Amino acid sequence: DVKVTQSSRYLVKRTGEKVFLECVQDMDHENMFWYRQDPGLGLRLIYFSYDVKMKEKGDIPEGYSVSREKKERFSLILESASTNQTSMYLCASTAGGPPEQYFGPGTRLTVT
Amino acid sequence: DQQVKQNSPSLSVQEGRISILNCDYTNSMFDYFLWYKKYPAEGPTFLISISSIKDKNEDGRFTVFLNKSAKHLSLHIVPSQPGDSAVYFCAASARTGFQKLVFGTGTRLLVSP
Repeated sequence: DVKVTQSSRYLVKRTGEKVFLECVQDMDHENMFWYRQDPGLGLRLIYFSYDVKMKEKGDIPEGYSVSREKKERFSLILESASTNQTSMYLCASTAGGPPEQYFGPGTRLTVT
Repeated sequence: DQQVKQNSPSLSVQEGRISILNCDYTNSMFDYFLWYKKYPAEGPTFLISISSIKDKNEDGRFTVFLNKSAKHLSLHIVPSQPGDSAVYFCAASARTGFQKLVFGTGTRLLVSP
């Protein structure tokens, strides 16, 4: 079974703080993704990575950056958290071939 | 520009009846379609998929139908069970897209006993 884990299930941060969200997958997948889920907006892609040290912007990259130093780990960074970044953050991974993505349990981030 | 649309935010069905969830897309480059199920406070889990070379794919109680000319797909759940109550997301992928998925906004299904 593919396992995607995220470092925290719930996180509360203050406006202006730097926030790190970590994601680890154990299936040697090449591609990893960060989404945010908001009511009525579905899942929106923030960034993705198709190889170590490679990254591509998704649909809503503003205010975020990512890091992929090892194949199994993909980090999402909020350089200066703002209240409009309060959301559910979901990490996913997939190997080559069919595009089924496997998701982690999510991190519910609240920025106050 | 919403490329994948789920126009029904919610659907209520009685246990044992059929649930039909609908999804429309606008991008003719999409060639692979997926349905995900999501419970509160959990990540989405993959349910079923269909390639554009097919018009139907079945897995147990779940069947996905694809109408390419109408750019429409649907998920049928028969018979519906209370445990099926969740948010269902439709997603689409284009062959040249780094396996990126474009998701719809979701439909909340409630199956009542």
